[in-house]
Amino acid sequence: EVQLVESGGGLVQPGGSLRLSCAASGFTFSDHSMDWVRQAPGKGLEWVGRVKDRASNYATYYGASVKGRFTISRDDSKNSLYLQMNSLETEDTAVYYCARRGPNLHWDYWGQGNLVTVS
Amino acid sequence: DIQMTQSPATLSASVGDRVTITCRASQNLNGWLAWHQLKPGKAPKVLIYKASSLESGVPSRFSGSGSGTEFTLTISSLQPDDFATYYCQQYNSYSLTFGQGTRLEIK
Repeated sequence: EVQLVESGGGLVQPGGSLRLSCAASGFTFSDHSMDWVRQAPGKGLEWVGRVKDRASNYATYYGASVKGRFTISRDDSKNSLYLQMNSLETEDTAVYYCARRGPNLHWDYWGQGNLVTVS
Repeated sequence: DIQMTQSPATLSASVGDRVTITCRASQNLNGWLAWHQLKPGKAPKVLIYKASSLESGVPSRFSGSGSGTEFTLTISSLQPDDFATYYCQQYNSYSLTFGQGTRLEIK
């Protein structure tokens, strides 16, 4: 069974940093691109960014609102995805989800999300 | 970035109703459109990918259609478990973008 479990969220002050993790199980993690998506309170979904797999040289892509402040990385030996968030702003308050890009190129599995509060 | 316009924002319906949600893109998506269902406190769930392909395990009352820039999600006969928020999402090009969401509520 595919499982994605986010952790590392919490309360942080504006200007601070936080690192989220996403632990993957039930599939060959190294074969898949992985994404982060967020949802601010009362708002819609926003794509944060993507890290591709080793075959694509772990290329990364970011949404405009986080580019230059957030960094996505992965450790295939630990089946883990990371989101390093720096220079956090109150507007970054959101539930952060990790999602697996499946063989049909869409997100076929999501985690349950982890709340980050910047205040 | 591709802009996604989803309507309606809120939809009130009853169990057994047939409902349709519409999503319009600012550019041709070449079919690269998915529909996701969100419920509070639960992992989001993909329903439809490539505009009309039903994700494995998703009930057949869900269907997607459309091409180019116009897409629809239809639920043929609403069940109690279907009251949730639905989002269209394009994955044709970066940045990946979503519609504003449709909250489906019980009438």
